[in-house]
This record gives sequence, C-alpha cells and structure tokens, in this order.
Amino acid sequence: NAGVMQNPRHLVRRRGQEARLRCSPMKGHSHVYWYRQLPEEGLKFMVYLQKENIIDESGMPKERFSAEFPKEGPSILRIQQVVRGDSAAYFCASSRTGGDGYTFGSGTRLTVV
Amino acid sequence: DAKTTQPNSMESNEEEPVHLPCNHSTISGTDYIHWYRQLPSQGPEYVIHGLTSNVNNRMASLAIAEDRKSSTLILHRATLRDAAVYYCINAPGNTGKLIFGQGTTLQVKP
Repeated sequence: NAGVMQNPRHLVRRRGQEARLRCSPMKGHSHVYWYRQLPEEGLKFMVYLQKENIIDESGMPKERFSAEFPKEGPSILRIQQVVRGDSAAYFCASSRTGGDGYTFGSGTRLTVV
Repeated sequence: DAKTTQPNSMESNEEEPVHLPCNHSTISGTDYIHWYRQLPSQGPEYVIHGLTSNVNNRMASLAIAEDRKSSTLILHRATLRDAAVYYCINAPGNTGKLIFGQGTTLQVKP
C-alpha cells in the first residue's frame, strides 16, 4: 500500500523556466493538499483540491502558480517563470475525506539557479 | 485556525516518557487537535488527532484538557528515532487546511 508519491524528489530549474511537480495520492484518497516549506521556516498551506475541483487556493501566490487534480493521473503543481525565491521544499498530502488524518509525501526540493 | 503555543525545544532521555505540551486557548468547539512530526529532510508524519476525549494509538497518546484549551502529546518511551519537530495544530473538521507553527524540536539523548 504505497503512500503519497511525489516526483521528482529534487528539481533544478534556471530562472524563467517552468517547474512541474507531481503528486499521486494514497489509494482511496481523493483529497490532495500542497504545502511549501521555505528554508528554515514552517510549512505553509498553498492549495486544497478534490478530483477536478479546487476547494481552497487561499495560500497560492496570485501569479505564476497553478494546481490541478485531473480525473485521471496525479495532481500537478505548476510554477511558471521560476525565480530564486521559489526555491523550497514542496510537500503534497492526501486524505480520504477532508479533515481526516493527512498523509504527506516526501516532498520535492526545488532549487532555482 | 486557532493559534497554538508550544515550547521551542525540549530534551528527553532515551526510553523515558516525554510529555509535549500545547496551549490553544482560542480553540473553537469544532476544531480538532492534530499532532504531526517532521524528521530532517522528510515530510510531516501524522501522529495523532482528537476532538474531546483522550486518544491512544500505536505511536502516542493525546491527553486533552477538559476545557480543551490545552493538550499534551505523550510518547511513552522515547527512542532516538523520535527526535523531530512536533507540531500541534488546531483545525476545523473537513477544512483540509493545516496551519503549521514553529513546533517543538525534541532532542532525545542516549
């Protein structure tokens, strides 16, 4: 019973490129959440999605960031035109229902050079 | 989400019990009390959560004050693998959003 799978584990992008982070939730989980952890800081909520729907995107930066969770396939967090300040660890979590115990993935560490 | 207050750091000896406190004086009646921990370079790991009654699982116990304004995470026998940052979080049920504070960094000494 695989946990939450995130890939890639490490991603290096040059300034101005696009970063695509993928998250496959646990089997049977239809709720997905993305969090960002900047160096030496705590995790910050970004977005909460259910299949094909964005439930809460109050933590998403207004520009360059988008997220989707299609009917088939993993959830994708897309960052366009990356800047150095986007360098962080991005964690995905999933749950069976909203408010249940959440299972986190191991994260994608994005480095923008 | 309600603000929680935790000590910045705590120390424990291996194989001794550890009591990690958390104050949440502004918790609302529908907020659950969640505990997660994060080991270096890893994602947060669910530990336990509860609403009003004390809770036990294979990892830990959660003691919730009668007025729900505080709670204590209890690790019955600390091991070196329990060294981590422990986060106490209040969140309404079905919200999907966890607000992480700075947490308590637990050091376990052999």
